[in-house]
Amino acid sequence: SAVISQKPSRDICQRGTSLTIQCQVDSQVTMMFWYRQQPGQSLTLIATANQGSEATYESGFVIDKFPISRPNLTFSTLTVSNMSPEDSSIYLCSVGANKNTEAFFGQGTRLTVV
Amino acid sequence: DAKTTQPPSMDCAEGRAANLPCNHSTISGNEYVYWYRQIHSQGPQYIIHGLKNNETNEMASLIITEDRKSSTLILPHATLRDTAVYYCIVANTGFQKLVFGTGTRLLVSP
Repeated sequence: SAVISQKPSRDICQRGTSLTIQCQVDSQVTMMFWYRQQPGQSLTLIATANQGSEATYESGFVIDKFPISRPNLTFSTLTVSNMSPEDSSIYLCSVGANKNTEAFFGQGTRLTVV
Repeated sequence: DAKTTQPPSMDCAEGRAANLPCNHSTISGNEYVYWYRQIHSQGPQYIIHGLKNNETNEMASLIITEDRKSSTLILPHATLRDTAVYYCIVANTGFQKLVFGTGTRLLVSP
C-alpha cells in the first residue's frame, strides 16, 4: 500500500488569492491524480499529474486555473488560482502504483473561500 | 460519465449482512469492477476489486454476475463504522483513472 500525505489538511482563503496543495507519497508511483469533491457531491477528476511533462486535464478544468507540478515520482502539487467561493471543495490526491493494484487516496484538503 | 448505477441509499441493521448492488451493463472485457467507500470527511478507501470471478478479502465479498453486467458488494456483518458512501467503479487496471458515480449512502443502525 501507499501512504499519502496531503498538506494543508484545511484552509480558509480570501477570494482572489491562490493556494498550493502538496501531495507526498512514501514510495515511487507511476500515476498521480487530483480530484475535487464539491459539498455533498461525488469526486470529479481534475487532472493526471505526469512526471516530467505537463498535466493532462479533464474536460472543464484548465491549466491556468489549476496548475499542477510533478517534479518526481513521489511528489505533486495542485494550485487553485484566483479563488472564488465556488472553489470551496475538498481536493484529493490519488496514486495508482502499478498494474492490477488499487488506487490510494490522501485524506484531502478542505478549502473554504470567503 | 460514470459507467455504473447504484441505489442512492440503503439501510442495514448492525450485525446483519449489507448487500450493495451495482449495475454496469456497458462494462468492457478488460475492465475491472472496483469498490471504494468514503467515510465522512475522509479520503476514499479501497475495499475490493474483481474481473469476473467472485472475490473475498478481510473487508468484504464481491459477487459478479456471469455476464458481468452487475455486481454485489457484501459486508457480512455490518458495524456502525461501516456507515459510509460506497462507490462502484469500472476501470482498466494499470491506469487507475477512476470515474466516480454518485454512490450508495449506507446507514448502519443499532
